[in-house]
Amino acid sequence: QSALTQPRSVSGSPGQSVTISCTGTSSDVGGYNYVSWYQQHPGKAPKLMIYDVSKRPSGVPDRFSGSKSGNTASLTISGLQAEDEADYYCCSYAGSYTFDVVFGGGTKLTVL
Amino acid sequence: QLQLQESGSGLVKPSQTLSLTCAVSGGSISSGGYSWSWIRQPPGKGLEWIGYIYHSGSTYYNPSLKSRVTISVDRSKNQFSLKLSSVTAADTAVYYCARADAVGQLDYWGQGTLVTVSS
Repeated sequence: QSALTQPRSVSGSPGQSVTISCTGTSSDVGGYNYVSWYQQHPGKAPKLMIYDVSKRPSGVPDRFSGSKSGNTASLTISGLQAEDEADYYCCSYAGSYTFDVVFGGGTKLTVL
Repeated sequence: QLQLQESGSGLVKPSQTLSLTCAVSGGSISSGGYSWSWIRQPPGKGLEWIGYIYHSGSTYYNPSLKSRVTISVDRSKNQFSLKLSSVTAADTAVYYCARADAVGQLDYWGQGTLVTVSS
């Protein structure tokens, strides 16, 4: 299946909010409430930030929130901080009949 | 706290087989409800799921790599392994192992290991 579509880059100033979109199809994002988001700093492993569309693992600041509408999921980061500058990847379950997980292409967040 | 650690050869010649192992500590690889996954990231590019294995031994592979991939589990050593055959330069990447829940959400990751395919 095709990768999920994310913007190549987004930016924002400290204290502002930014939203990263992740567009799929009714076979993945639109069909299941199993979208996850990962933060990756340079040279580091990805870190789970959001799962089940909008749930935060323990330790993830509540500045990070997730949502979904139709075939598009979104990650919103409010009160931007310098340490939020990283790459962000979305991922969606796509059912059990084929290889059933697909990543987005990634979005580079720049904190101005 | 669950920890995963990749190990294996960092340099593989073209046409040979890439072999990596992921050692799991702080928890049992036989825990139900989870799969054990391999993901890779070519330099400067995005994440690509290679495949995963359940503690039962059931495996699922990315169709684009399926003919070349084998993932296995060694419960006695609490580790799982990846073999990728007939490698080319396009297989050069950082390879990560990770734990996923039943719907592919990856909550624990290894630090990653760079594998370079070159003669």
